[in-house]
Amino acid sequence: DAGVIQSPRHEVTEMGQEVTLRCKPISGHDYLFWYRQTMMRGLELLIYFNNNVPIDDSGMPEDRFSAKMPNASFSTLKIQPSEPRDSAVYFCASRTVGLGNTIYFGEGSWLTVV
Amino acid sequence: QQQVKQSPQSLIVQKGGISIINCAYENTAFDYFPWYQQFPGKGPALLIAIRPDVSEKKEGRFTISFNKSAKQFSLHIMDSQPGDSATYFCAASMGTSGSRLTFGEGTQLTVNP
Repeated sequence: DAGVIQSPRHEVTEMGQEVTLRCKPISGHDYLFWYRQTMMRGLELLIYFNNNVPIDDSGMPEDRFSAKMPNASFSTLKIQPSEPRDSAVYFCASRTVGLGNTIYFGEGSWLTVV
Repeated sequence: QQQVKQSPQSLIVQKGGISIINCAYENTAFDYFPWYQQFPGKGPALLIAIRPDVSEKKEGRFTISFNKSAKQFSLHIMDSQPGDSATYFCAASMGTSGSRLTFGEGTQLTVNP
């Protein structure tokens, strides 16, 4: 399997612009997670989906952040408008029940907002 | 109560030495404790995991020791190698789905040749 695929790998954008991060989970996985990693706050869970339905979005920092999962093979995380403090690495991850609790991470989207 | 505290923040070990990273948790409902390894520019990857019904789990050079009464668990890397240099995260979750992983702050391990 190709693993969790994220795009873009790197993005530099200006403050106020809309940012869309994309994720393709591992085929057959029914949980999808969005994490954010920063030096200050470490790895934070933003939101997760089960069978395309958002289950827990309590980690989404504010209304500027939104996430969707229109089908089992695609998810987006959108930031509108972006701010410099949103600069971080955003990881998408997926798992399936029945193979333990292993969560498989993508390689991340490195976002810089200037 | 959802926190997982990890120490040390950074660790330097000589090749062949033993690396030890510790984690402590408060929530007694946690029942799954994985360790993730992250190399620069990559996402975290599962290294080894344990459930509280055992006190130790070993996979190759990596061992998790678990102390349920103290609410602590640790990662031991035997015969540490330069290729082990990475950031290590402990984590914890609860329930059969174990979906909401709470991560520790991370430990940056450097193994000198």
